[in-house]
Amino acid sequence: DTEVTQTPKHLVMGMTNKKSLKCEQHMGHRAMYWYKQKAKKPPELMFVYSYEKLSINESVPSRFSPECPNSSLLNLHLHALQPEDSALYLCASSLRRTSGSFNTGELFFGEGSRLTVL
Amino acid sequence: SQELEQSPQSLIVQEGKNLTINCTSSKTLYGLYWYKQKYGEGLIFLMMLQKGGEEKSHEKITAKLDEKKQQSSLHITASQPSHAGIYLCGAELHRDKLIFGTGTRLQVFP
Repeated sequence: DTEVTQTPKHLVMGMTNKKSLKCEQHMGHRAMYWYKQKAKKPPELMFVYSYEKLSINESVPSRFSPECPNSSLLNLHLHALQPEDSALYLCASSLRRTSGSFNTGELFFGEGSRLTVL
Repeated sequence: SQELEQSPQSLIVQEGKNLTINCTSSKTLYGLYWYKQKYGEGLIFLMMLQKGGEEKSHEKITAKLDEKKQQSSLHITASQPSHAGIYLCGAELHRDKLIFGTGTRLQVFP
């Protein structure tokens, strides 16, 4: 199984709603990532989890709350979002080689969750 | 300014033509990755280059990393409509952070 599965594929929410994006992989990867991609822009790193611990937060607003319940699952909890948060949210995983070193290795990406905030 | 610049920003070529996409960094690249993305979908890994002067090929796509490890090129030979998409280079310019270049949108017409 070489897939990263993201649900839901599409999500529409109001600014007062609370919702979650889910990501799952069964490749035994120990690093998982959330990226945000706006239209016609490259993906931007949001969070990195390494061995189920948050290792990088790219100064993401607190209305985005990541969670890694176990090595296979990664969630992104959404609350009080703004219309400008509408984007494609991509999850990825990698077989972490050496924590804190360069050369993360190949990232496997999910198909993304397209979020629209009204 | 972007840490990884790609050129050209977009490319429209006729089927069968060759093309080259470039990725340039102001810092030494310890690992350079090439990904392809179809509109609104996830990224598909193409190749990874690590050593200066390294070259890798897969089917009709060849990627190179220059000796100074600050520039990479992706060359497609005899392009096909299936090559259309967005090509992204990626690199760890900071530890544990894979960041992406500005992207190149490729269209191939019959």
